[in-house]
Amino acid sequence: NAGVTQTPKFQVLKTGQSMTLQCAQDMNHNSMYWYRQDPGMGLRLIYYSASEGTTDKGEVPNGYNVSRLNKREFSLRLESAAPSQTSVYFCASSRTGATLNQPQHFGDGTRLSIL
Amino acid sequence: KQEVTQIPAALSVPEGENLVLNCSFTDSAIYNLQWFRQDPGKGLTSLLLIQSSQREQTSGRLNASLDKSSGRSTLYIAASQPGDSATYLCAVLSGGYQKVTFGIGTKLQVIP
Repeated sequence: NAGVTQTPKFQVLKTGQSMTLQCAQDMNHNSMYWYRQDPGMGLRLIYYSASEGTTDKGEVPNGYNVSRLNKREFSLRLESAAPSQTSVYFCASSRTGATLNQPQHFGDGTRLSIL
Repeated sequence: KQEVTQIPAALSVPEGENLVLNCSFTDSAIYNLQWFRQDPGKGLTSLLLIQSSQREQTSGRLNASLDKSSGRSTLYIAASQPGDSATYLCAVLSGGYQKVTFGIGTKLQVIP
């Protein structure tokens, strides 16, 4: 009963380093999402993938890239990490091609610190 | 721009008490509203999803209501238990995929 699995759980980077956050779901969901959660702010959508082979920008895409590798996997890449990207990153998935009628299932998050 | 506000920010109640968490949103043109639970160091767990055409949803001791016209939703928890201690977030979908707006949450502590 894995659901949504994120790796790594914790990471510390230096400014300018690059990193890829991994996400995989085993629920055969079509849609996948990347969010960031910062203190005092609600979760904000970075990128989403409505279905395999498609990706689109969310509310805060700058500084990030994504890859929908296959139906199961959706990765988030920081090309040149900045301290402002220190955050908790959540991956989520949902069954249908929209959040309209299906709940989102979340991973446990990746806690990322940029020094 | 959609804004979601949750009041109170924190709440502490004795075990067994019934309680209500509030969520308000500024744009009433929503598709749905979800209530989530988040435990420390964990991701979000979806509790209830109310579509815009619905007035309420129930699951066990939880009941969520939606009043679109007034931009409000409430999450009612009956007979609270210490295991209910967590942060509760609401989120509204008011456009495409990118228009999901989350509240900051209400941190609930149920005291044994």
